[in-house]
Amino acid sequence: NAGVMQNPRHLVRRRGQEARLRCSPMKGHSHVYWYRQLPEEGLKFMVYLQKENIIDESGMPKERFSAEFPKEGPSILRIQQVVRGDSAAYFCASSPLGVAGKDTQYFGPGTRLTVL
Amino acid sequence: GENVEQHPSTLSVQEGDSAVIKCTYSDSASNYFPWYKQELGKGPQLIIDIRSNVGEKKDQRIAVTLNKTAKHFSLHITETQPEDSAVYFCAALFQKLVFGTGTRLLVSP
Repeated sequence: NAGVMQNPRHLVRRRGQEARLRCSPMKGHSHVYWYRQLPEEGLKFMVYLQKENIIDESGMPKERFSAEFPKEGPSILRIQQVVRGDSAAYFCASSPLGVAGKDTQYFGPGTRLTVL
Repeated sequence: GENVEQHPSTLSVQEGDSAVIKCTYSDSASNYFPWYKQELGKGPQLIIDIRSNVGEKKDQRIAVTLNKTAKHFSLHITETQPEDSAVYFCAALFQKLVFGTGTRLLVSP
């Protein structure tokens, strides 16, 4: 059973460009979470999604950031018009039951975004 | 608000010693507490978790204790080995998973 997969592992963008980060959850998991980690800091929750639904986006900036988890295909975190402050590691996690089930979240290897 | 505090921020021990990392949380409604290990350049890896209906859980050299009254929980690693060196994060599940700020553990041979 493959773990959570994320791609790309490293992404370099210039200021003003768009960044698209992809996450494929573990097989059988229909709940996906995105976190951001700044250097030497902990993980900060951004958004929680189920297939075709955003459940909680309270940690995601209101502007430039969006997330989706379509019926088919991976979850996408999209950052428009990137700025240097967006440089961070972005981690995706998945779980089978979600927050209501209080179950374990399994993390992917992350995408390290660098904005020049 | 939902908050998790973690101490110490860094911890250096000799191989074979024990290591203890402590966390406190703000909201007594939380009832799920995982611990993650993160190695350089990798994603967090779950090492152990505990739910509020138990006070202690062990898995080989790793144990976690939970005191719901005091709202704190701790990670105990016995007989530490150099490969235990990593950053360890505690977390508490509120409406979402809230992480502590991490403890950098260094085990010297």
